[in-house]
Amino acid sequence: QKEVEQNSGPLSVPEGAIASLNCTYSDRVSQSFFWYRQYSGKSPELIMSIYSNGDKEDGRFTAQLNKASQYVSLLIRDSQPSDSATYLCAVLNQAGTALIFGKGTTLSVSS
Amino acid sequence: EAGVAQSPRYKIIEKRQSVAFWCNPISGHATLYWYQQILGQGPKLLIQFQNNGVVDDSQLPKDRFSAERLKGVDSTLKIQPAKLEDSAVYLCASSSTSSVQATSPLHFGNGTRLTVT
Repeated sequence: QKEVEQNSGPLSVPEGAIASLNCTYSDRVSQSFFWYRQYSGKSPELIMSIYSNGDKEDGRFTAQLNKASQYVSLLIRDSQPSDSATYLCAVLNQAGTALIFGKGTTLSVSS
Repeated sequence: EAGVAQSPRYKIIEKRQSVAFWCNPISGHATLYWYQQILGQGPKLLIQFQNNGVVDDSQLPKDRFSAERLKGVDSTLKIQPAKLEDSAVYLCASSSTSSVQATSPLHFGNGTRLTVT
């Protein structure tokens, strides 16, 4: 069974700062990675996916993948109070049919 | 498009009672998932259906949990008898294809929050 590890936090950053969220995974052959955001009491929603080594940018969000180190991260630039949520890292299972989630990191952005 | 529908939103039962949750996926989505999310943890896959067939139920506690998707559309998850540790949010998700990717991501419902006392 693949494992996905995240620091549960909370991670606290001031408004306008860069928030850095990290995730490691155990299965070296994992190919596909996803970041979900979950507001308190709500369901997870997809922010970004990444498949190749390097950076992928989408607006204020940048996902970074390093397969050699089995490490994936999410950077949030110009953090806003509305970014306060739990961020879930997910890895595609071996069959490619379902996601395995980490415990999530709680981010708190203070104004 | 309408999202994934789940009911009820909340349920409180006593231990050893039974409970059932219902999910209707996005129209046309062949793949349906049930995830369990315990407070402070990430979602854990319980069972995955492709149309009306089970793809993966390796983490479903089959002595007390059961699920079905008889006509390949909506699905029911049942717990009988419930234990205190079953208190969690039960999330249903659907996908348009059998493989999860950026172009066919998981769409989650709002979940059912179960409290077992």
